[in-house]
Amino acid sequence: GENVEQHPSTLSVQEGDSAVIKCTYSDSASNYFPWYKQELGKRPQLIIDIRSNVGEKKDQRIAVTLNKTAKHFSLHITETQPEDSAVYFCAANFGNEKLTFGTGTRLTIIP
Amino acid sequence: GAVVSQHPSWVICKSGTSVKIECRSLDFQATTMFWYRQFPKQSLMLMATSNEGSKATYEQGVEKDKFLINHASLTLSTLTVTSAHPEDSSFYICSASARESGNTIYFGEGSWLTVV
Repeated sequence: GENVEQHPSTLSVQEGDSAVIKCTYSDSASNYFPWYKQELGKRPQLIIDIRSNVGEKKDQRIAVTLNKTAKHFSLHITETQPEDSAVYFCAANFGNEKLTFGTGTRLTIIP
Repeated sequence: GAVVSQHPSWVICKSGTSVKIECRSLDFQATTMFWYRQFPKQSLMLMATSNEGSKATYEQGVEKDKFLINHASLTLSTLTVTSAHPEDSSFYICSASARESGNTIYFGEGSWLTVV
C-alpha cells in the first residue's frame, strides 16, 4: 500500500523565521497532496494542497512544492507566528480519494 | 468550504457496550466517506472506506465485525464500535470529499471515545 514519510517529527523555530517540513510518498500514481494543521483535540484543518499538474503553490505565508520525479513534497511557512504552533500532517492520495497520512510534525514557534 | 459534521464529539461508555458515531455531510452529497482513528500523539490511521449503498472496505488489521459501518444515504455514515474495550479508547474522525470543491477532503470534528 501507500507509504508516506514525514520529517522532522518535531521542529522549533524562532518567531519570524521560516519552517520547512518534508514528505516523501511511495505510490507514483498519487496526484493529490494536501497539508493539514491539527491543534490538540481538534479536527485536521486543510491549510494548502497541491495537485500533480503543478510544481508549486503559494497562499500568503504558506507554500507547497512538489517534485513528482523524486516523489517528495514540502511545506514552507514563512514569517512564522506563535499561532502557527501545531501538529502538521502531510498526506497523499491512494486510489483516488483515500488519503495516507504522514506521521506528523510538531511545530513550535518560539516567541 | 464543505461542512462535515460528526456526533457525538465525546462519549464515555462501559466496557462491553456499543457506541455509535455519526458523520454527516451537511451541504453536499458524499458517495464515499472515510473513518480514521487517531491515538494520542500519533497520526491518523485509516480504518475503512464507507461506500453509500454497499459494504464498507476495511483496511488490513481492522475488524469489520467490531467496527460496523453503515452508509445508508448520500449524507450519512455511521460507525458503531461493538463490545467496546478500554483499548478502543481513541479519537475517531470521519472525512468526505466534495466534488464541488475538486474532491477536496474535509474532516468532521472528531469523536473522543473513552471506554471505562
